[in-house]
Amino acid sequence: EAQVTQNPRYLITVTGKKLTVTCSQNMNHEYMSWYRQDPGLGLRQIYYSMNVEVTDKGDVPEGYKVSRKEKRNFPLILESPSPNQTSLYFCASSLYRLDTEAFFGQGTRLTVV
Amino acid sequence: GENVEQHPSTLSVQEGDSAVIKCTYSDSASNYFPWYKQELGKRPQLIIDIRSNVGEKKDQRIAVTLNKTAKHFSLHITETQPEDSAVYFCAARSPNFGNEKLTFGTGTRLTIIP
Repeated sequence: EAQVTQNPRYLITVTGKKLTVTCSQNMNHEYMSWYRQDPGLGLRQIYYSMNVEVTDKGDVPEGYKVSRKEKRNFPLILESPSPNQTSLYFCASSLYRLDTEAFFGQGTRLTVV
Repeated sequence: GENVEQHPSTLSVQEGDSAVIKCTYSDSASNYFPWYKQELGKRPQLIIDIRSNVGEKKDQRIAVTLNKTAKHFSLHITETQPEDSAVYFCAARSPNFGNEKLTFGTGTRLTIIP
C-alpha cells in the first residue's frame, strides 16, 4: 500500500531534550516536506527536499533540522525543543514536482513542556 | 513569496445546500491550485485541483473555479452531506526553478447542519 509513515504519532517531551520525528514513504517520490499545523494558521512549511542530499528552508525553519540521506526517509530533528514548537506536524511527499498530489503522513502531535 | 488568503474561516450550511470557499493568491506565476480536505483527527487529502490553463473543473458534487486575472479561486460543494463536514485548505504552487513551494491557506471549518 502506497503511504507516508510518521513516527511517533504522539510525543510529550521536556524543553531542551533533542528529539527526532521520522518520516518514510514507499512511493519513490522525489519531493518531501515537513509542515506544522497550528489553529488559525493552517499548514506552514518547515523544510523541504527536492531530492537526496538536497534540502532547503520553508517558511518557518527556525529550531528545526532535516536530512535526506535516502530517497524514502526525511527525518525532522528538534535539537533543543521549546514550548512554542508544540504543534501538529505533518510530513508529505510528491512524485516529482509540486503540481502533483501531495500525500501526507498521519501526523505527529508534539507537546513540549 | 506567495501569500494565500482563505475565507471564511468557519462556515455552517444546512444539509443539501451549497457551500463556497474562496481563496486569493499573490504570485501571478503560481500555476497549480489544489484543495485538501482534513477530517477530524485525520491527515489532509486531496479532493480536487486545477491548473492555471483551466478556468473550471468539476468532480461530482465538488467544483473549483479559477480567475487568473483576479488571482482568486473557489471551491464549490453542492448538495452538501454530513460527511462533507471537515476543514478545507486551499493551496497555490509557486514554480520558481529550484525553489518551488506549495503555500496553504489558513483553512475553513465547514459544518453541515442536518
